Amino acid sequence: QVQLVQSGAEVNKPGASVKVSCKASGYTFTTNEINWVRQATGQGLEWMGWMSPHSGNTGYAEKFQGRVTMTRNTSINTAYMELISLRSEDTAVYYCVRGRGVGWFDSWGQGTLVTVSA
Amino acid sequence: DIQMTQSPSTLSASVGDRVTITCRASQNINSWLAWYQQKPGKAPKVLIYTASRLESGVPSRFSGSGSGTEFTLTISSLQPDDFATYYCQHYDTFSRTFGQGTKVEIK
Repeated sequence: QVQLVQSGAEVNKPGASVKVSCKASGYTFTTNEINWVRQATGQGLEWMGWMSPHSGNTGYAEKFQGRVTMTRNTSINTAYMELISLRSEDTAVYYCVRGRGVGWFDSWGQGTLVTVSA
Repeated sequence: DIQMTQSPSTLSASVGDRVTITCRASQNINSWLAWYQQKPGKAPKVLIYTASRLESGVPSRFSGSGSGTEFTLTISSLQPDDFATYYCQHYDTFSRTFGQGTKVEIK
């Protein structure tokens, strides 16, 4: 079955950067895009961007342009999301999500809590 | 950017009730819409995609309809397992946008 397993929780200081990993299994990694979605405590879902594991092409939400980078290592079926210049408002659970069709989401990672605090 | 607006934000209902949640797009999105269910502490789960197609394994009491700018998610007979938060999501080649969510509570 499709599984996306993310790296563990992180605590970072304002101004620092964080890199979250997402290891895929149960399907051919390069056939589906990987998206990243975040959710602050008690808040809604916020889409950050997508990446094609096949080509490495990316597309980022305007809000995150210049601060987020999505990459992959196809030899180990793993996607990465790096967010720089962290601020307290970036404290959230970050999910990697497999895309299907034009861009809906059929499988989610377990989430990674990123806390930004001095 | 396309904005997605859900209503209501919160809905109180009883087991067995028919429940309808609305999602409106700020411009025509054809049928590029999905619905998700999220329970506390868990990742969301897809229910509906392409506005009306039921994802495999999702109970048939869930249905989606609409096209263009107005969409609905209907639960024909609310079950105890259905108390959760529901999100609509627009998707296209360039972006994906979620609605703000609708929490379905026990009346």
